[in-house]
Amino acid sequence: GENVEQHPSTLSVQEGDSAVIKCTYSDSASNYFPWYKQELGKGPQLIIDIRSNVGEKKDQRIAVTLNKTAKHFSLHITETQPEDSAVYFCAASGTGGGADGLTFGKGTHLIIQP
Amino acid sequence: GAVVSQHPSWVICKSGTSVKIECRSLDFQATTMFWYRQFPKQSLMLMATSNEGSKATYEQGVEKDKFLINHASLTLSTLTVTSAHPEDSSFYICSASQLAGGEAQYFGPGTRLTVL
Repeated sequence: GENVEQHPSTLSVQEGDSAVIKCTYSDSASNYFPWYKQELGKGPQLIIDIRSNVGEKKDQRIAVTLNKTAKHFSLHITETQPEDSAVYFCAASGTGGGADGLTFGKGTHLIIQP
Repeated sequence: GAVVSQHPSWVICKSGTSVKIECRSLDFQATTMFWYRQFPKQSLMLMATSNEGSKATYEQGVEKDKFLINHASLTLSTLTVTSAHPEDSSFYICSASQLAGGEAQYFGPGTRLTVL
């Protein structure tokens, strides 16, 4: 089955700086890669996703890049703000169409230092 | 849009009893709903995939007779933890993907289960 590795486990950055979280996946058949933000005691919130036919996607301060050949994808957050502090999870799924469950990475605790 | 609710948000029960958790898609119809479990400071692990009107598909290692899933309509799925034990204490989270809406899964707020 799919295996998703995520690094780093903890990331501390100064407010206003950029943060980058990286993930690798094992199953070359995976074609959908979402990123979720989870605050303490809450469910994950989808912040951005990318499909395998696209190399990069951006939404305001958040961007995701995908390298299918190397089987890795990354989340980039620019101009970080205190409210960006949370745990971020990457995930991967296979056939798509909403029929596949997600395999998650272990999460990155992002800390924004004021 | 794409709001998923869960009820209850937290529950405490005695060992040996059963607990039912509801997952609803509030503003869309969900082809498929998923159930995940998350232990403290850990990642989410997929337990089962549920399609409306059919039997759920369970992940390896998840006991189907212990975690009963019913997907009665396009907006409601339930997870019943039968004969709960302390090791079943966890954060249970459901997600739903929209009918003909692609792969995006929207998660509920989760249910904290504590078994005494």
